[in-house]
Amino acid sequence: EAGVTQFPSHSVIEKGQTVTLRCDPISGHDNLYWYRRVMGKEIKFLLHFVKESKQDESGMPNNRFLAERTGGTYSTLKVQPAELEDSGVYFCASSGGAEQYFGPGTRLTVT
Amino acid sequence: AQRVTQPEKLLSVFKGAPVELKCNYSYSGSPELFWYVQYSRQRLQLLLRHISRESIKGFTADLNKGETSFHLKKPFAQEEDSAMYYCALSGLSGSARQLTFGSGTQLTVLP
Repeated sequence: EAGVTQFPSHSVIEKGQTVTLRCDPISGHDNLYWYRRVMGKEIKFLLHFVKESKQDESGMPNNRFLAERTGGTYSTLKVQPAELEDSGVYFCASSGGAEQYFGPGTRLTVT
Repeated sequence: AQRVTQPEKLLSVFKGAPVELKCNYSYSGSPELFWYVQYSRQRLQLLLRHISRESIKGFTADLNKGETSFHLKKPFAQEEDSAMYYCALSGLSGSARQLTFGSGTQLTVLP
């Protein structure tokens, strides 16, 4: 069974540009989470989808971040415009119950 | 506010020695506690849940509600245990399932 996949694995962009990260959850998992780890800090929750609905987006840092989950399948996280402090690793996780399965992460570098 | 504290960023032990990774938490309610592990060049994966009370790869963790701790222990460390370990908690209800992570402990088991 394929696990959670994320694309791209690494993205380098300039400040002010736009980047879109994608997450494909495990098939059948209704819950999808985004987290990120910025340099030197702990992994922090961004938001939680249940199917296509945003259950909790209390962790989204500001309105430059926009997440969608069309049709309750894959999800995208767009950062527009990117700032230097957005650099870090963005993780996606999915679950059908209590256990969350993580993707490999996308390393975002904003220069 | 919920919080997870892992006081040790780095921990080194010799092969065969006991190891204990500390985790303390604060949460207003009854949380579920987890240990996640990330081996080199691998994704974050679940090691233990307090509810299941299992021993995985020789590791155990007991929830101590009085001390609000969930320390991870192994009596005889192996070199393959070298990894980054994260303690995490979540609420028990569907809307509170996002994980709050500690800052992680990098365990190195020396030969």
